[in-house]
Amino acid sequence: EAGVAQSPRYKIIEKRQSVAFWCNPISGHATLYWYQQILGQGPKLLIQFQNNGVVDDSQLPKDRFSAERLKGVDSTLKIQPAKLEDSAVYLCASSPGHRVGTGELFFGEGSRLTVL
Amino acid sequence: AQSVTQLGSHVSVSEGALVLLRCNYSSSVPPYLFWYVQYPNQGLQLLLKYTSAATLVKGINGFEAEFKKSETSFHLTKPSAHMSDAAEYFCAAEGTGTASKLTFGTGTRLQVTL
Repeated sequence: EAGVAQSPRYKIIEKRQSVAFWCNPISGHATLYWYQQILGQGPKLLIQFQNNGVVDDSQLPKDRFSAERLKGVDSTLKIQPAKLEDSAVYLCASSPGHRVGTGELFFGEGSRLTVL
Repeated sequence: AQSVTQLGSHVSVSEGALVLLRCNYSSSVPPYLFWYVQYPNQGLQLLLKYTSAATLVKGINGFEAEFKKSETSFHLTKPSAHMSDAAEYFCAAEGTGTASKLTFGTGTRLQVTL
C-alpha cells in the first residue's frame, strides 16, 4: 500500500515570496491533516479536512496560509507571502476516518521550508 | 485544551540499557494517549496507543507504555536499547470529545551509544 506522498521535499525561498506544498494521502483515507513542525517543537495542527470539507482550521494563519482539498483526495497548502518564522517542516497526514481516539495518523516524509 | 509535557528534550543511553522517556498530560478527563517515533528525514510513525483498555500498552519494536491516572503520566519504556532506536519520540494526546484533536508534546531525542 502506497504511503502519504508529499512534494517538494525541500524548498528554499526569500521572504515575501510564495510557496505551495502538495500532498496525496493514502487511498481511501477520508481525513487529511496539515501540520507545521518548527525545529525543536512538536507538530502543530494547521488544518484538518474531512473529505473536501474543513473540520478545523483554528490555528491556520489565514492572512498568509491557505489550503484546499479539491475532490476530497489530494491537497495543496500555500503560503503567500512567506515570513522568516514560517521556516519549518510541513507534514501531511491522513487517516481512514474521523473517529475520536484512533489517533493513528499516517504521515508523509514532510516538506522542509527554509525562508531566507 | 489538552497539553502534553515531555521531560527532557534529549536522552542518552548505552546500548542494552533501559530506555525511559517521560510524558505527562494535563486533563481532568483521561484522554487517549499515543507515542509516535520520527526517524531522521522521515515522517512520524505510531508506536503505540492507549484508549482506555489495558493500562499497560505494548507497541512495536519492543516498546511499551503505562498509563497512570494518579500521576497523569504515560511514560515510554524499553528494557534494552538498540542502536536502531535512536530517533525523536513524541507523546500525543487526544481528548474524548467529538471536536477533539491530536496535540503533540515537544519531543525527546533519544541517543544510543555503544
